[in-house]
Amino acid sequence: AQKVTQAQTEISVVEKEDVTLDCVYETRDTTYYLFWYKQPPSGELVFLIRRNSFDEQNEISGRYSWNFQKSTSSFNFTITASQVVDSAVYFCALSVRGGATNKLIFGTGTLLAVQP
Amino acid sequence: NAGVMQNPRHLVRRRGQEARLRCSPMKGHSHVYWYRQLPEEGLKFMVYLQKENIIDESGMPKERFSAEFPKEGPSILRIQQVVRGDSAAYFCASSPWGPGGYEQYFGPGTRLTVT
Repeated sequence: AQKVTQAQTEISVVEKEDVTLDCVYETRDTTYYLFWYKQPPSGELVFLIRRNSFDEQNEISGRYSWNFQKSTSSFNFTITASQVVDSAVYFCALSVRGGATNKLIFGTGTLLAVQP
Repeated sequence: NAGVMQNPRHLVRRRGQEARLRCSPMKGHSHVYWYRQLPEEGLKFMVYLQKENIIDESGMPKERFSAEFPKEGPSILRIQQVVRGDSAAYFCASSPWGPGGYEQYFGPGTRLTVT
């Protein structure tokens, strides 16, 4: 069975602080894909990043960076110099290769509040 | 290129009525997914459709819920005889390809309230 755990329910930081959102996943499949989505207060879901299980390179996009470690089954997300606009719920998700579907299995999300 | 469109954005139904939620995928996308977000919970997969076919409905409740994605027109998620427990945000997502871990692009969601 597949599972995604986001142990941090809520995080509150002050603007310009760095913050890391944790994501731990479980799967027995050797080929799988990991995602992060952002859900701002307006409610829509915004795609941030996709990673496949064979690519453990860390990725940086502006103030965002992702650390994928297969050894610990983690795919953590760091925001550097946080801003108020980063306030949102962040979801980590997993999909596995094989079968006829591509469904995403989501964690329960981490609510990030960035205070001015 | 317009994103995924969902309508209505907000829908209020009384218990026992029917709810119809519509989803138009991004241009060029023929794979549609529906997810439900209950209050205080994450998103749960409901159903995956390609044009005219239901591929995976393992997350759909057995009764009262159905989905379709006709050759022409939007995908429809239909909930018959709604109950208060159906109150949730329903999200549609689309992708250009099927299985293979491709990213899914989400619509703004439909917030269903059952009174």
